[in-house]
Amino acid sequence: KQEVTQIPAALSVPEGENLVLNCSFTDSAIYNLQWFRQDPGKGLTSLLLIQSSQREQTSGRLNASLDKSSGRSTLYIAASQPGDSATYLCAVHFGNEKLTFGTGTRLTIIP
Amino acid sequence: EPEVTQTPSHQVTQMGQEVILRCVPISNHLYFYWYRQILGQKVEFLVSFYNNEISEKSEIFDDQFSVERPDGSNFTLKIRSTKLEDSAMYFCASSEGGVIYGYTFGSGTRLTVV
Repeated sequence: KQEVTQIPAALSVPEGENLVLNCSFTDSAIYNLQWFRQDPGKGLTSLLLIQSSQREQTSGRLNASLDKSSGRSTLYIAASQPGDSATYLCAVHFGNEKLTFGTGTRLTIIP
Repeated sequence: EPEVTQTPSHQVTQMGQEVILRCVPISNHLYFYWYRQILGQKVEFLVSFYNNEISEKSEIFDDQFSVERPDGSNFTLKIRSTKLEDSAMYFCASSEGGVIYGYTFGSGTRLTVV
């Protein structure tokens, strides 16, 4: 079964620190992987999309990496800010038309 | 930046009633999707739609559900005879070219069945 796992479920860090969020998936034959941000009770905002042929993507303070062979992706957030507090979701395309989501990591940045 | 628009943002309905959730995808997108998220659970795929027909659906998407693109801009999800367990956030998404282009999601409709 194709599954996506995110650990830890919750993470608190002081403002200004760099941090890494983890995503693992069970099948290395992926098409792409997308990181989303979800604020409480709100929709999903796409952060970064990594194609299967890519190793990483960057946008501002965010950097996402992809290692298909180990079934892992990381989202690196530099110089964290209180506004980064949200739930971060990892979602994988396993070759069909749907995204398979992880349960997310709820991130709290402590001012 | 182009957006996927969903209406209403929150809908309360009585058990057994029919609801229609509406979405306006990004105008040049060709692939459309519905997902749902029950409170505290994962976001789950319901259905994908391309070229005026369903291209894939999950086991959740049974005869209670249907989708339609009634005109050139709207994409709707109809839930017949709603049940308490249909209470969830429903997200519409669209994509320019399917898998390789990634998705843009709307802000969701919170459906509460009472």
